[in-house]
Amino acid sequence: QQQVKQSPQSLIVQKGGISIINCAYENTAFDYFPWYQQFPGKGPALLIAIRPDVSEKKEGRFTISFNKSAKQFSLHIMDSQPGDSATYFCAASGRGTSYGKLTFGQGTILTVHP
Amino acid sequence: DTEVTQTPKHLVMGMTNKKSLKCEQHMGHRAMYWYKQKAKKPPELMFVYSYEKLSINESVPSRFSPECPNSSLLNLHLHALQPEDSALYLCASSQVYRGGQGETQYFGPGTRLLVL
Repeated sequence: QQQVKQSPQSLIVQKGGISIINCAYENTAFDYFPWYQQFPGKGPALLIAIRPDVSEKKEGRFTISFNKSAKQFSLHIMDSQPGDSATYFCAASGRGTSYGKLTFGQGTILTVHP
Repeated sequence: DTEVTQTPKHLVMGMTNKKSLKCEQHMGHRAMYWYKQKAKKPPELMFVYSYEKLSINESVPSRFSPECPNSSLLNLHLHALQPEDSALYLCASSQVYRGGQGETQYFGPGTRLLVL
């Protein structure tokens, strides 16, 4: 019940296209859903995060869509750029998890071709 | 400023060596974390400190010994490591979990550890 399932494992998109990464969770106690972007050899960097009281949050080209009833959330990257090529992790935390412990998805390797 | 710094960036050590990793943050966060990350995998939680006290140890072998000397610093002491311990070691910090909402964790750049 603590798992977060992320798909796809890898994604190839042309420059200017839309990248979509999906995550699903089981634990209804989760109430915080961040997305992290990680470049090779670097630490994960917080990209955008959402709480379940809203269904969508947009920051620049990045949008999180959240479906509480389906227990799913997704990251949309509009106008994808080669510089967006990285590994993306969804995560979840909240009530019932000790000290805000993050449960990560398995990651999606995004490649944006020029 | 949301910066977490880690030193060293790279570390090579033999199985009999003793070394330490250092993490520092000045965001006033009172929760600090150590994670281990293998290639192409998500970070795995090792330890959590809250208000300078060890709150969570995820059954980590005793050859890893964490220390939190003050609210800004976090160390990870390494001794008698195995080659399979080679990984990226990440430090993170956040506001203390307030029992109702998850809190944003900010990660450092990591220390790339190679055990020979």
